[in-house]
Amino acid sequence: QQQVKQSPQSLIVQKGGIPIINCAYENTAFDYFPWYQQFPGKGPALLIAIRPDVSEKKEGRFTISFNKSAKQFSLHIMDSQPGDSATYFCAASDNAGNMLTFGGGTRLMVKP
Amino acid sequence: ETGVTQTPRHLVMGMTNKKSLKCEQHLGHNAMYWYKQSAKKPLELMFVYSLEERVENNSVPSRFSPECPNSSHLFLHLHTLQPEDSALYLCASSPSRGPNTEAFFGQGTRLTVV
Repeated sequence: QQQVKQSPQSLIVQKGGIPIINCAYENTAFDYFPWYQQFPGKGPALLIAIRPDVSEKKEGRFTISFNKSAKQFSLHIMDSQPGDSATYFCAASDNAGNMLTFGGGTRLMVKP
Repeated sequence: ETGVTQTPRHLVMGMTNKKSLKCEQHLGHNAMYWYKQSAKKPLELMFVYSLEERVENNSVPSRFSPECPNSSHLFLHLHTLQPEDSALYLCASSPSRGPNTEAFFGQGTRLTVV
């Protein structure tokens, strides 16, 4: 059973656009929601993370929006650049020490 | 560099071969993980070690055998693999197995089974 559903699977935007990647979860015990960025030939790396006590977190051009009642969270990339082209994974974990559960990934391409 | 190093970066092996993947972390972390990344299941957790003790095994076939001799090293021993085992195998570590801890990934080993 997939506990974290991510969409879309792939996304193409023009430079300067604002790609939005969405994730939905089922387990109400989840309380930590990180996003990972993976470039070709590299392992995933933590990009930004949020906890459910806030509805939004911003770091540079990356923003997470969190909707606890809907059990959804999303990643927005402002003023996207070709260098942002990568695969993005959302994830979730609970405070019981269980492992991160990853979404299926979104392959983003930002065209010059 | 993430502080997690995997070798080799690429491996081609026949179905009757025996090989091992190596992971080393220089971060002083207490938990280490093996993930399988393929087109079908982008990030699939295989094994978890915490303080050198295996704490999770996600129904992985016995042809994959992990070993954690100390908190800095993790191995994945491979034998009689199938072509469908071809994938990117990622090692990760975290400060602990506790909640809300960031996982640091290595660059992976691209495995091709022929």
